[in-house]
Amino acid sequence: QSALTQPASVSGSPGQAITISCTGTSSDVGAYDHVSWYQQHPGKASKLMIYEVSNRPSGVSHRFSGSKSGNTASLTISGLQAEDEAEYYCSSYTTTRTWVFGGGTKLTVL
Amino acid sequence: QVQLVQSGAEVREPGASVKVSCKASGYTFSDYHMHWVRQAPGQGLEWMGIIHPTADDTRYAQKFQGRITMTRDTATSTMYMELSSLSSEDTALYYCAKDYTWSFEYWGQGTLVTVSS
Repeated sequence: QSALTQPASVSGSPGQAITISCTGTSSDVGAYDHVSWYQQHPGKASKLMIYEVSNRPSGVSHRFSGSKSGNTASLTISGLQAEDEAEYYCSSYTTTRTWVFGGGTKLTVL
Repeated sequence: QVQLVQSGAEVREPGASVKVSCKASGYTFSDYHMHWVRQAPGQGLEWMGIIHPTADDTRYAQKFQGRITMTRDTATSTMYMELSSLSSEDTALYYCAKDYTWSFEYWGQGTLVTVSS
């Protein structure tokens, strides 16, 4: 199972919105709505930000939203804040009943 | 609150095995699958496998088939992941993560496994 494709880096200024894409295939992202997103600060464990494409866990800011079209899922962060600077990973369940992650995207808040 | 507490750092020589534990609390242990995920230094996340606490449902990533074993102890709410035939490429942080609707809801603090001669 190949890793999902994410841009290596994205950047934005405070207050702006950014979108991170996550491209897979019809065997993973395109097959189910079981796509999730994670935030990882350096030296810390990952934090679930979005599950089932667009659902936010309790406690996650409304500035984080998710969507999907075909084989590509997206994470949008609006009203960028300095604390959003981190690595972001997408993940998808696959038709072989396994999971796959994206390669990660480094978000820089300028 | 949900807590996943993992065992401490390990150092192994190439060819050896390592067993990492993950003690769960704060939720009904028998109700949720547990994943194992690893992250090599400076690299991304890699899914290793999933195990159900009570049912006969264990799945491994093809990459690790044959040298990974996931087990559980329901009496102590602890999950275990054993990886054998270690090489330097297995040097990584190993995480357990509680499943929730096909996502990784809560993560352990990570266990650093270093493979070096």
